[in-house]
Amino acid sequence: ETGVTQTPRHLVMGMTNKKSLKCEQHLGHNAMYWYKQSAKKPLELMFVYNFKEQTENNSVPSRFSPECPNSSHLFLHLHTLQPEDSALYLCASSQEGGVRNEKLFFGSGTQLSVL
Amino acid sequence: DQQVKQNSPSLSVQEGRISILNCDYTNSMFDYFLWYKKYPAEGPTFLISISSIKDKNEDGRFTVFLNKSAKHLSLHIVPSQPGDSAVYFCAARPTGTASKLTFGTGTRLQVTL
Repeated sequence: ETGVTQTPRHLVMGMTNKKSLKCEQHLGHNAMYWYKQSAKKPLELMFVYNFKEQTENNSVPSRFSPECPNSSHLFLHLHTLQPEDSALYLCASSQEGGVRNEKLFFGSGTQLSVL
Repeated sequence: DQQVKQNSPSLSVQEGRISILNCDYTNSMFDYFLWYKKYPAEGPTFLISISSIKDKNEDGRFTVFLNKSAKHLSLHIVPSQPGDSAVYFCAARPTGTASKLTFGTGTRLQVTL
């Protein structure tokens, strides 16, 4: 148990559906992240939030819409996804995103399949 | 263009022997390196890190070596145990961008009895 909880663990959705991924951290951290891991590819950073403010958007398509209502919760809203968006989506947190030499704590991920 | 490369997708080692996992990087601005371990159905967990001002960092059975001139780092596990069987990711961070970790594709380690 890393202190970062993601729901759901698995999600199957059609291309016209709208769904949301949820992440909650119980570590008192101030920075939260969304990463994407596709098969046989490295983890790719998608978004970074520091103290609820988005500080990084790694050229992510607008069909992915993040929301960070407070430092403990992070959402990823999904709409009109493509089959190539099927991947493992990982949430992570750290004490503060601007501090050097910080470690990330990851959740278990949501395995997303887009049909 | 992959800036962090783990060229061995898998490695099998006998219990009790040394496991050596390798990682190469291309970006000379990277100054902090981490290893993460991932079990199936779980997220990656931090294992060990090293700053570019050092060439070695040790934590119990795990040692990370950094060769800046070769842009190469390695993770040594001695002695290897069956519980070490997992996917190991190398990650690196450039100077001045503390939140931007770049990951490798991972090496699957299998420790056999």
